[in-house]
Amino acid sequence: DTAVSQTPKYLVTQMGNDKSIKCEQNLGHDTMYWYKQDSKKFLKIMFSYNNKELIINETVPNRFSPKSPDKAHLNLHINSLELGDSAVYFCASSQARTGRKEKLFFGSGTQLSVL
Amino acid sequence: DQQVKQNSPSLSVQEGRISILNCDYTNSMFDYFLWYKKYPAEGPTFLISISSIKDKNEDGRFTVFLNKSAKHLSLHIVPSQPGDSAVYFCAAKGNMDSNYQLIWGAGTKLIIKP
Repeated sequence: DTAVSQTPKYLVTQMGNDKSIKCEQNLGHDTMYWYKQDSKKFLKIMFSYNNKELIINETVPNRFSPKSPDKAHLNLHINSLELGDSAVYFCASSQARTGRKEKLFFGSGTQLSVL
Repeated sequence: DQQVKQNSPSLSVQEGRISILNCDYTNSMFDYFLWYKKYPAEGPTFLISISSIKDKNEDGRFTVFLNKSAKHLSLHIVPSQPGDSAVYFCAAKGNMDSNYQLIWGAGTKLIIKP
């Protein structure tokens, strides 16, 4: 049983398209995240939801819209895809909202390639 | 502005020897540090952490050392095994805001040679 699962694993699409990445966690965690791993390999947080409520929204173009239908799911919808959106996107979850010792559990990533 | 730096993109170590991965940080507000390990086509997984009130934390073959005055931490793996070949990310947290966001380094790829 995969704890944090995201689909699809690979996504190849044309510029201007709209696409979604889905994420589900079966750990019973309250908080979920979207991270982007850029070309320099840094992991940067994009969004965080706690119990379906948005708590972190970093400087991300508003073409990116997270949606959390329930606390076990956090999907990422991207409108009007651009070349610079090509990256690996990781979903993650943690038990609680904040706290120094919270560990993140990651999905296996979605490699997005915009052509 | 790189607040967490892993200056070695890769490191090659003989099986059985010690692997030492380094991490430097610039923000003195960081008070908790974590190491994550990542295999290809998988997400990072938590490995070990250390609070700023300690200078060492050990878990089996893995030991993390923290030198606050130098703003430096290191991960020691002894003895290194082939399964340790992975990318290792250093990450730091601090109460700069209420969310304790993790700030990540770029990772070091560790290759264990048989």
